Amino acid sequence: SQKIEQNSEALNIQEGKTATLTCNYTNYSPAYLQWYRQDPGRGPVFLLLIRENEKEKRKERLKVTFDTTLKQSLFHITASQPADSATYLCALPNNAGNMLTFGGGTRLMVKP
Amino acid sequence: DAGITQSPRHKVTETGTPVTLRCHQTENHRYMYWYRQDPGHGLRLIHYSYGVKDTDKGEVSDGYSVSRSKTEDFLLTLESATSSQTSVYFCAISDIQSSGSYEQYFGPGTRLTVT
Repeated sequence: SQKIEQNSEALNIQEGKTATLTCNYTNYSPAYLQWYRQDPGRGPVFLLLIRENEKEKRKERLKVTFDTTLKQSLFHITASQPADSATYLCALPNNAGNMLTFGGGTRLMVKP
Repeated sequence: DAGITQSPRHKVTETGTPVTLRCHQTENHRYMYWYRQDPGHGLRLIHYSYGVKDTDKGEVSDGYSVSRSKTEDFLLTLESATSSQTSVYFCAISDIQSSGSYEQYFGPGTRLTVT
C-alpha cells in the first residue's frame, strides 16, 4: 500500500539556522508533491508544489527538492525565524490528482 | 481561509446522537473533502465530492455519510456518534489549476467531542 513518512519527532533549531524536513514515500509514482504548513488550531495552508521533473524549487526562504529515485522530498527553511514554528505536512496526489494523501507531519520549533 | 467556513467550530455531544457538520465555500470549487485529524494518524480522508450529488468514500468512511445538494455546501453526518469519532474535522476545497495540478484549501476546523 502507499505510504508517506515524515519524522514524527519535533525538530528544534536555533533562529537563523536552516531547517531541513524530510518526506519519504513508498509505492507511489507521483506527478508532483506538495508541502503544507499547519499552525496549532488551524487548517493546513498550501506552501509549495514541486513536479517530478523538477529537482528543486524555491519560494523566498523556502527550498524544496524532489528525488524520484530515492522517493524523497526535502523541505528547507533558510534563516529560520520563530514565526516559522509550525507543523509541516507533505502530500502526494493520486493518479488523477484530485485526492491527496498526507504524511503525519513534522513539528518545527525555532528558538530565538 | 480561502472562502471556506465550517460550522459549528466546537461541539460536544453524547454517544448515540446524530451530528451534522457543515462546510460552506464561496470559491465555486468543484471538489470538496472532509478529513479528520487525530494525534498519531495525521489527516485522513473521510469522504469527498466531485460535484453536486456526486460523492465517494475515503479512507475512513465507516460511520459517516455526506451530502452535497449545492456547489457551495458539503455536509458531514455522524448518524450515531461514538467516542472514537472524537476528533478535529477539516473541510477542504480544490479545483484544477492552469498547471494541471490540484491544491487544497482548508477550512478552520471543527473540534468534536463525543462523551
